Amino acid sequence: KNQVEQSPQSLIILEGKNCTLQCNYTVSPFSNLRWYKQDTGRGPVSLTIMTFSENTKSNGRYTATLDADTKQSSLHITASQLSDSASYICVVSASGGKLIFGQGTELSVKP
Amino acid sequence: GAVVSQHPSRVICKSGTSVKIECRSLDFQATTMFWYRQFPKKSLMLMATSNEGSKATYEQGVEKDKFLINHASLTLSTLTVTSAHPEDSSFYICSARDTKSLINRINEQFFGPGTRLTVL
Repeated sequence: KNQVEQSPQSLIILEGKNCTLQCNYTVSPFSNLRWYKQDTGRGPVSLTIMTFSENTKSNGRYTATLDADTKQSSLHITASQLSDSASYICVVSASGGKLIFGQGTELSVKP
Repeated sequence: GAVVSQHPSRVICKSGTSVKIECRSLDFQATTMFWYRQFPKKSLMLMATSNEGSKATYEQGVEKDKFLINHASLTLSTLTVTSAHPEDSSFYICSARDTKSLINRINEQFFGPGTRLTVL
């Protein structure tokens, strides 16, 4: 069964600190993995997309890693800001185009 | 580039009425658009896949007569919630797949900002 699991479910950190979110997946056949940021009451916004051959990809203070062997991905946020408070969703695209969504990690950055 | 809009952003309606939500790709063509539903604190749930010029494909458990989808052009798909009831209250999000992305096999999808539907 195709599944994407994220941890932790929620996370509270202080402004300026770093954090890492985890994503494990069992999706086959695998096409690519994306991380999205979703602010409350808004649609998801793409942060990174990685294909099978990519190990890491950065977008500003966001750095995603992918280990296709262990089927794990992480999203590292550096020097967090209050505006980073959002839900972060890991999404795996199976070949054929179907997206498998994780349940999201709710990040709260406190001053 | 790659902007997807939704209209309206929020709507409140009485039980029994129908509500139409529009999804537009503003600067790219999208032969395929997707409609999702999201409950509070939950992830997106795919309702249906909308293909330009053909019938939509609905996910299991989604009533096609309840959620009417029309994809009349390469830049517009509409979702009509017919005879809405309070249990239809939710956040509805569309996404559009850039037709060109099929060439590079990334299957890039761009999400709209969502529509908050409240049925009284």
